[in-house]
Amino acid sequence: KQEVTQIPAALSVPEGENLVLNCSFTDSAIYNLQWFRQDPGKGLTSLLLIQSSQREQTSGRLNASLDKSSGRSTLYIAASQPGDSATYLCAVGSKINKFYFGSGTKLNVKP
Amino acid sequence: EPEVTQTPSHQVTQMGQEVILRCVPISNHLYFYWYRQILGQKVEFLVSFYNNEISEKSEIFDDQFSVERPDGSNFTLKIRSTKLEDSAMYFCASSERSSLLFNSPLHFGNGTRLTVT
Repeated sequence: KQEVTQIPAALSVPEGENLVLNCSFTDSAIYNLQWFRQDPGKGLTSLLLIQSSQREQTSGRLNASLDKSSGRSTLYIAASQPGDSATYLCAVGSKINKFYFGSGTKLNVKP
Repeated sequence: EPEVTQTPSHQVTQMGQEVILRCVPISNHLYFYWYRQILGQKVEFLVSFYNNEISEKSEIFDDQFSVERPDGSNFTLKIRSTKLEDSAMYFCASSERSSLLFNSPLHFGNGTRLTVT
């Protein structure tokens, strides 16, 4: 069974800092990997989806990388802002129409 | 931007009662999903649905659970006889095509918080 781990569990940084969130998975036979943002009491907002054949994907200040062979993905956030404060979830697609989620990294960006 | 909408936002029910959670997926999406998140735990997959049938289900999705697309817009999750451990946030999601075969992102609703007392 696919196990997804996210480190760190929580992170607090001053505004403007660049930061990296980590996601690791145990089974490298994946179709894709998706990063989500979850705000308190809200649903999950899709940030980036990386296909298994891709190494990275970028959207604005976000860059996600994927190293399938080592079972790792990182989400890089440049020039963090207080509005980036949320929980970030990594989800690995390794079976048809089924994603396995990590526990998330709770990010707090201080003004 | 089109959204997945879920109702109600919060449902309280007594143990043993039946509940139906409702979702309206994005209109041109063909694949539908239910996930749940027990407080303090990971988001976990329950079921995926395509072409009016279940395409994948988890071990959690036992005979107490069922899904239905009763018309062209709604997608429902029914829990036949609720247990205390069914208390969780239930998320509906949809994707335009198969999220895994075609790399189509999942779009989630805001969830229904189910509390079983």
